Amino acid sequence: SQKIEQNSEALNIQEGKTATLTCNYTNYSPAYLQWYRQDPGRGPVFLLLIRENEKEKRKERLKVTFDTTLKQSLFHITASQPADSATYLCALASSGGYQKVTFGIGTKLQVIP
Amino acid sequence: NAGVTQTPKFQVLKTGQSMTLQCAQDMNHEYMSWYRQDPGMGLRLIHYSVGAGITDQGEVPNGYNVSRSTTEDFPLRLLSAAPSQTSVYFCASSYSTGVVSAFFGQGTRLTVV
Repeated sequence: SQKIEQNSEALNIQEGKTATLTCNYTNYSPAYLQWYRQDPGRGPVFLLLIRENEKEKRKERLKVTFDTTLKQSLFHITASQPADSATYLCALASSGGYQKVTFGIGTKLQVIP
Repeated sequence: NAGVTQTPKFQVLKTGQSMTLQCAQDMNHEYMSWYRQDPGMGLRLIHYSVGAGITDQGEVPNGYNVSRSTTEDFPLRLLSAAPSQTSVYFCASSYSTGVVSAFFGQGTRLTVV
């Protein structure tokens, strides 16, 4: 069955360092992959989308890579700040019709001042 | 521009009661969907709509009903609440197929006793 794996353990990182979050998937041929941020008690907020034919995408301090051979996406936050502390969700969608998107359970990031 | 508005934010129901979770968006998005989020599980799709008058089932549709009479509104009805429906519910809308770059509401925390 299709499966998305995100590190369920929290990731603690020192302010100013680069945070790297991992999203692995199996039995899936995604057309694109998205990353969302979710704060406690709030809905997810869209951050970045990367398509299957793209290797890397950047937006300000954020960078996403997508390796369809390894079936993995890496999400990087450079020069991390305490305000970056949140849970980050990975979401995959296949092509064709209405793309039903599957979300991972998310990784909680804590940036320590 | 309010985005996606969900009401109520919190609700307690008794087993067997019915209720409607409201969702409205003011971005003229064609695509709307309902998700539930439970601890240790990713967001799971309940129902979705690709436009007014068109709805379809997602991954976990049992016990829920939807309708889409206007582009703006997409209410979710719980027919006979059960404790297993205790969850946080999110409504999302997007301008393109699926949940691409989706906007999420703030969520409704529902407890069924």
